[in-house]
Amino acid sequence: GAVVSQHPSWVICKSGTSVKIECRSLDFQATTMFWYRQFPKQSLMLMATSNEGSKATYEQGVEKDKFLINHASLTLSTLTVTSAHPEDSSFYICSARKDILLNTEAFFGQGTRLTVV
Amino acid sequence: DAKTTQPPSMDCAEGRAANLPCNHSTISGNEYVYWYRQIHSQGPQYIIHGLKNNETNEMASLIITEDRKSSTLILPHATLRDTAVYYCIVRAPLYNQGGKLIFGQGTELSVKP
Repeated sequence: GAVVSQHPSWVICKSGTSVKIECRSLDFQATTMFWYRQFPKQSLMLMATSNEGSKATYEQGVEKDKFLINHASLTLSTLTVTSAHPEDSSFYICSARKDILLNTEAFFGQGTRLTVV
Repeated sequence: DAKTTQPPSMDCAEGRAANLPCNHSTISGNEYVYWYRQIHSQGPQYIIHGLKNNETNEMASLIITEDRKSSTLILPHATLRDTAVYYCIVRAPLYNQGGKLIFGQGTELSVKP
């Protein structure tokens, strides 16, 4: 299967600072990438859909000014958590799909565990 | 997006078949059924997907009822490494909101020796 890589795998930051998480599709081009977050013992919650070269589409209740998403190339999308606070501590996961084929599966990164102290 | 209903947890003996059910009674004709699993603290792993016909790959089989209102994921010979949370997802077509995947609560499968 295709490979999606996230970096970093884990990060600890101080409250008030910003953190950038990268999501790369290593062996395919991804027009569309998705960002999720997951709290302990809960399911994945979709945050936004990221389209290459255009603005991300955020799910209801997700603050677009706090979670900045950039999809500048077909292989890279970034999520920046701005002015992070302890309640932003979570497991952030990206996924990407090969849009050249219809109804193909989405591949997920390994996730990034963010801890804000 | 069509919603899915799965049992919160299931047990299975190692070496036996694990049959995970999923109800999706509001599915529409052009929506696919996808199955993913998530092992603790990892990203979800794709298992299989289908539209109308039954599907089989090296990991599992997917049985979709004729009316498409439910499906069953079958792991033919479960191993301890199959212990995970299994998610059944009905995904909208690509032209509808980019075909995003909305995760429900899933089924926590425990494979026991």
